[in-house]
Amino acid sequence: QVQLVESGGGVVQPGRSLRLSCAASGFTFSRFSMYWVRQAPGKGLDWVAVISDDGSDKYYADSVEGRFTISRDNSKNTLYLQMNSLRAEDTAVYYCSRDISVGVGITGLMDVWGQGTTVTVSS
Amino acid sequence: DIQMTQSPSSLSASVGDRVTITCRASQGISNFLAWYQQKPGKVPKLLIYAASTLQSGVPSRFSGSGSGTDFTLTISSLQPEDIATYYCQKYNSAPWTFGQGTKVEIK
Repeated sequence: QVQLVESGGGVVQPGRSLRLSCAASGFTFSRFSMYWVRQAPGKGLDWVAVISDDGSDKYYADSVEGRFTISRDNSKNTLYLQMNSLRAEDTAVYYCSRDISVGVGITGLMDVWGQGTTVTVSS
Repeated sequence: DIQMTQSPSSLSASVGDRVTITCRASQGISNFLAWYQQKPGKVPKLLIYAASTLQSGVPSRFSGSGSGTDFTLTISSLQPEDIATYYCQKYNSAPWTFGQGTKVEIK
């Protein structure tokens, strides 16, 4: 079945780095744009970044621009989020999600979500 | 950037009640509006896109309407399994902003 499994979360000190991974299975990963969305404790959904199916287009929320980098390895069916210069306000559950449409670029709609990985930024 | 504002932030209704949630965009977004449902402890689920199109498998008691800046999500007859937080999201262009959420509880 279609599945997204995030990993790489943990507790990290402010200013340090962390890399999240999202392993995809059950669908042709290389044909879908992919997203990272986060949710701070007790808060709402916050879109973080998106990457097109071939990796040529990337967009970031202003809050992470210049600190986070989204990437993918289609040969490994894996999405990544490199997070540098982490701040306390980056503490959240990070979800990866899949675009609803195949092969048509970034639509902004997310139809499959992983279970999330928790990132805690604290000294 | 376009801001998405939902109202109310929370509501309590009885089983069988008609429930309406409103989402307002700070600028027009045509019909590029989606609704997601997040049940407690679960991941978000896409309910409606293009303001009024039900995602496959979503019960018909859910409906959406609106265009431009004002949108609504309606649950025609609230069921216990509808307890969740509902989020609207604009997707006409980056950033793909979510509303702050509306928590629906059973009275």
